[in-house]
Amino acid sequence: GQQVMQIPQYQHVQEGEDFTTYCNSSTTLSNIQWYKQRPGGHPVFLIQLVKSGEVKKQKRLTFQFGEAKKNSSLHITATQTTDVGTYFCAGGFKTIFGAGTRLFVKA
Amino acid sequence: KAGVTQTPRYLIKTRGQQVTLSCSPISGHRSVSWYQQTPGQGLQFLFEYFSETQRNKGNFPGRFSGRQFSNSRSEMNVSTLELGDSALYLCASSLVRQGDINEQFFGPGTRLTVL
Repeated sequence: GQQVMQIPQYQHVQEGEDFTTYCNSSTTLSNIQWYKQRPGGHPVFLIQLVKSGEVKKQKRLTFQFGEAKKNSSLHITATQTTDVGTYFCAGGFKTIFGAGTRLFVKA
Repeated sequence: KAGVTQTPRYLIKTRGQQVTLSCSPISGHRSVSWYQQTPGQGLQFLFEYFSETQRNKGNFPGRFSGRQFSNSRSEMNVSTLELGDSALYLCASSLVRQGDINEQFFGPGTRLTVL
């Protein structure tokens, strides 16, 4: 069945450093969504990408959808302590979620 | 606009029992999806309901079932509980308009502990 793999599983950064998480699907995706879950909270929608090669920015966050629509990335520039949480990608007809990347930011 | 609500928030059951979880979507949302979240397995898709019909189903045993009512509220039932069913069960609702962004809004979840 369809699988969505996400790496890395964990990432520790110093505040101010950049952070990137990668998402890879075993099949072509019609769209991909990104969510953020703060510790103890529930996933919150960040963005949806639908076009091949699409790049979207939200302040310090940059989202990319691969040309083949099988991979995506989320890049955070100059991380802040408020960026702490787990970032999930999700895609496919059944909205298959990746395992998530947990981001730790040290002040 | 009120968010997605789930009841109960916490539940403790013993093996072999059954449990029913409830989810009220955002007003106007017709799609409700259920997910199981565990530290080891992440977010696992259980099923999605749209206009009272199950549209998609994940790879879970038949002990997991659900339904949706005419007001879009949804319930999830787990029968013959096993220790491995201990998890956070999340419900998410979305508007689902053709060609629109299908943003899912998650509820706070029900924390189920099976002893």
